Amino acid sequence: GQNIDQPTEMTATEGAIVQINCTYQTSGFNGLFWYQQHAGEAPTFLSYNVLDGLEEKGRFSSFLSRSKGYSYLLLKELQMKDSASYLCAAEDSNYQLIWGAGTKLIIKP
Amino acid sequence: IAGITQAPTSQILAAGRRMTLRCTQDMRHNAMYWYRQDLGLGLRLIHYSNTAGTTGKGEVPDGYSVSRANTDDFPLTLASAVPSQTSVYFCASSDGDGQPQHFGDGTRLSIL
Repeated sequence: GQNIDQPTEMTATEGAIVQINCTYQTSGFNGLFWYQQHAGEAPTFLSYNVLDGLEEKGRFSSFLSRSKGYSYLLLKELQMKDSASYLCAAEDSNYQLIWGAGTKLIIKP
Repeated sequence: IAGITQAPTSQILAAGRRMTLRCTQDMRHNAMYWYRQDLGLGLRLIHYSNTAGTTGKGEVPDGYSVSRANTDDFPLTLASAVPSQTSVYFCASSDGDGQPQHFGDGTRLSIL
């Protein structure tokens, strides 16, 4: 079957670093997406990894290991506005997205 | 501003009624999607369309139908609403395989 696992909730402190993990099992694999979703709003695209390794985009970085079926999203210099849910989605062999339930990130001052 | 427009923003509907959720995009994307999002669950694909004139079933298609008469519009119809269809519905579009999906603001639907 197809499955995406990510923690339900995480708490971090403003200014700190947090890593949100995601493991996936899909029928074939083409790539891994991360989205941010603020409460009551639509998901917005953060990153897309196809190759193994780390991709950095400002305060946000995303890592992929295809052999381990594993990805993480790294958020640096946390700000209060980073409080949101972070959704991991694996793209299967048909280019359909399989979504995790999301990780709710709570930032404390 | 280019993007995806969904209507209505929210709706309360009696069980058994027919309802169409509207979705329009102006980015000329070929692919469009309908998802439902329920608390504690990931986004679940209802139906999709890879290009105008074609549609496909997603993970949870029962009770829903779609059409794709042109590139811009992708309406979702609930033929006879049931309380289990209470959810937040998101429409999305993308420029093809491996491209990010862009989402509308969602429709919050309550079936009583």
